[in-house]
Amino acid sequence: QQPVQSPQAVILREGEDAVINCSSSKALYSVHWYRQKHGEAPVFLMILLKGGEQKGHEKISASFNEKKQQSSLYLTASQLSYSGTYFCGTVLHRDDKIIFGKGTRLHILP
Amino acid sequence: DAGITQSPRHKVTETGTPVTLRCHQTENHRYMYWYRQDPGHGLRLIHYSYGVKDTDKGEVSDGYSVSRSKTEDFLLTLESATSSQTSVYFCAISRLLAGDVDTQYFGPGTRLTVL
Repeated sequence: QQPVQSPQAVILREGEDAVINCSSSKALYSVHWYRQKHGEAPVFLMILLKGGEQKGHEKISASFNEKKQQSSLYLTASQLSYSGTYFCGTVLHRDDKIIFGKGTRLHILP
Repeated sequence: DAGITQSPRHKVTETGTPVTLRCHQTENHRYMYWYRQDPGHGLRLIHYSYGVKDTDKGEVSDGYSVSRSKTEDFLLTLESATSSQTSVYFCAISRLLAGDVDTQYFGPGTRLTVL
């Protein structure tokens, strides 16, 4: 039931765009996105709900394709501060626990 | 900041010794969780609690026990630590967002090394 994230790692130059995908084999109720910097705790970014709209703020946004059971995280004009590991967490039913993917490591070069 | 603290933040112990990690929250959240994080595995749920004295197992609960005698404290105990339990342990709480949607917020983590 663990969601599959792709790519596993990506290296970009500052200003480039990135897309991180999160796929599930089962129908989803919600998808949660987190970012974790080295040595720190994961930090909540946003949540996508079944039937909800694309969420985001500033240059980080996400979408949820219910038919494909896939969510994508979009980082536009990446900044050095975007470096870290991005995790998606999926929830199958409203009161279920979050199941986290293995993460995508993003490294931004100056 | 979700008002979560964990103690200790770092611990080195020997195989076979008991270890207790503490998670403390100040916002009266009902749900609390213990995760372990290992390279290549992401975050895996060990145990969780949905109220005082109400706990349940997660996917990697073998070798771990938990207790919650007060709303604010959730303890994780390794009865007899093994080297395979060397990991970073995160506590999390469930916080309500808008409407009836909630998500999890994490404590700073405890790095445990079992020699």
